[in-house]
Amino acid sequence: QLQLQESGPGLVKPSETLSLICTVSGGSITSNTYYWGWVRQPPGEGLEWIASISYSGSTYYKPSLKSRVSISVDSSENQFSLNLTSVTAADTAVYYCARHLAMPGTAFWEYWGQGALVTVSS
Amino acid sequence: QSVLTQPPSASGTPGQRVSISCSGSSSNIGSNYVYWYQQLPGTAPKLLIYRNNQRPPGVPDRFSGSKSGTSASLAISGLRSEDEADYYCSAWDDSLSGPWVFGGGTKLTVL
Repeated sequence: QLQLQESGPGLVKPSETLSLICTVSGGSITSNTYYWGWVRQPPGEGLEWIASISYSGSTYYKPSLKSRVSISVDSSENQFSLNLTSVTAADTAVYYCARHLAMPGTAFWEYWGQGALVTVSS
Repeated sequence: QSVLTQPPSASGTPGQRVSISCSGSSSNIGSNYVYWYQQLPGTAPKLLIYRNNQRPPGVPDRFSGSKSGTSASLAISGLRSEDEADYYCSAWDDSLSGPWVFGGGTKLTVL
C-alpha cells in the first residue's frame, strides 16, 4: 500500500521560505504514469492545488503562485519537495502531498498524505 | 474564489437522499471528467467518484455521480451519520486557471 508523509517546519516567519518534503513508501516515485503534487487547505477553507511534477521532471504550477513556487523530485530518496517563497499569513494552511494520474483531462488524486499544518507568523 | 462552484452546505436526515451540485465551464467540466472527494473531519481527502460516475473499490453504491454539460452532481442515497463530511468536486481545466481545479467544498450535515 502506497503511503505518503509530509515533513517540514510547522512555523515559518513572514517573508521567509516554506519548505516541505513528501516521503513516499510502499512504491517507487520513478514512474511516469503518475504525477506527484501538493494541495493546500487554509483553516476552515477549501482545497487549492499548488504544483505537480512527474518523475521525468515535467512541472505544473498554479498560475497565481507560479512566481513563488518550485517543486522537485529526489528519486534516490523517493521524495519530492515544495518550496514557497516570500510567505505571508495567507499561506497558513494544511499542506497535503498526493499522487495523481499523469493523464491530461483527469484529476485522479488517488493517494494522499495525512497533511502538515504550516503556520506563517512572526 | 473557486473555479468550480458548490453550495457551501447541504443537509439531510438518515435514510434520505441528498444531492450536491458542482458548476463549472466549458474549459473544465464541459470538456473533462469530474471527480469527487470526501473529507471526513480532521483527515485527508479521499477519492469518492472518478470519471463522472465511477466508484473506486470500497466506496458504497449509495454514492453516485453524474454530469450534464458544464455541471455535475454527487448523490448520496440512504444517508448515514458517517456520511457527514466535506465534499469537493474537481476537474482538469484547459484554461489559465488550471490544470487542476477544485470546488469550494460542500459541508454535509446529517441531522
